[in-house]
Amino acid sequence: GENVEQHPSTLSVQEGDSAVIKCTYSDSASNYFPWYKQELGKRPQLIIDIRSNVGEKKDQRIAVTLNKTAKHFSLHITETQPEDSAVYFCAASIPLWSGGGADGLTFGKGTHLIIQP
Amino acid sequence: DAGVIQSPRHEVTEMGQEVTLRCKPISGHDYLFWYRQTMMRGLELLIYFNNNVPIDDSGMPEDRFSAKMPNASFSTLKIQPSEPRDSAVYFCASSLGQASKGQYFGPGTRLTVT
Repeated sequence: GENVEQHPSTLSVQEGDSAVIKCTYSDSASNYFPWYKQELGKRPQLIIDIRSNVGEKKDQRIAVTLNKTAKHFSLHITETQPEDSAVYFCAASIPLWSGGGADGLTFGKGTHLIIQP
Repeated sequence: DAGVIQSPRHEVTEMGQEVTLRCKPISGHDYLFWYRQTMMRGLELLIYFNNNVPIDDSGMPEDRFSAKMPNASFSTLKIQPSEPRDSAVYFCASSLGQASKGQYFGPGTRLTVT
């Protein structure tokens, strides 16, 4: 099955600086890569996603890049703010048609992002 | 839009008891997913349904776990008998189309088995 590795597990940055979180995946059939933000005691919330036919996607201060050859994708947050503090999860999905069976998401272990004032 | 609804929000039960978790997906969504979150194992997919039919239950940890979706607006996850290692937050999520259309999570049920 799919395996998603996420680094770092904890990331502390100064307010206003940029933060980068990286993930790798194992199954080349994966074609959908969402990122979720989870605040303490809350549900995971989808913040951005990218599909395998796109190399980069941007939404205001958040961007995601995908390198299918290397099987890795990254989340970039610029001009970080205190409200960006949370745990961020990357995920990958193998489409049902690939024969992989699972169309659910395989998640990375999460990155605890701390924004220092 | 009410979003995905889960009940109860918190459940405390004794080992050996039956536990039933409930989920109402977003209206019109045809995919429903059950996930479990623990500190040790992170977020794990347990099972998912498409149009009320179970598609992949390979993530269900053992026979003590079962899930049903009797109609498009309701699903249950049952644990019988429950064990302390089942303590976790259980999330339900739904999507329109396959996972690549974006999954939206419910608030979760925090289960504690003593």
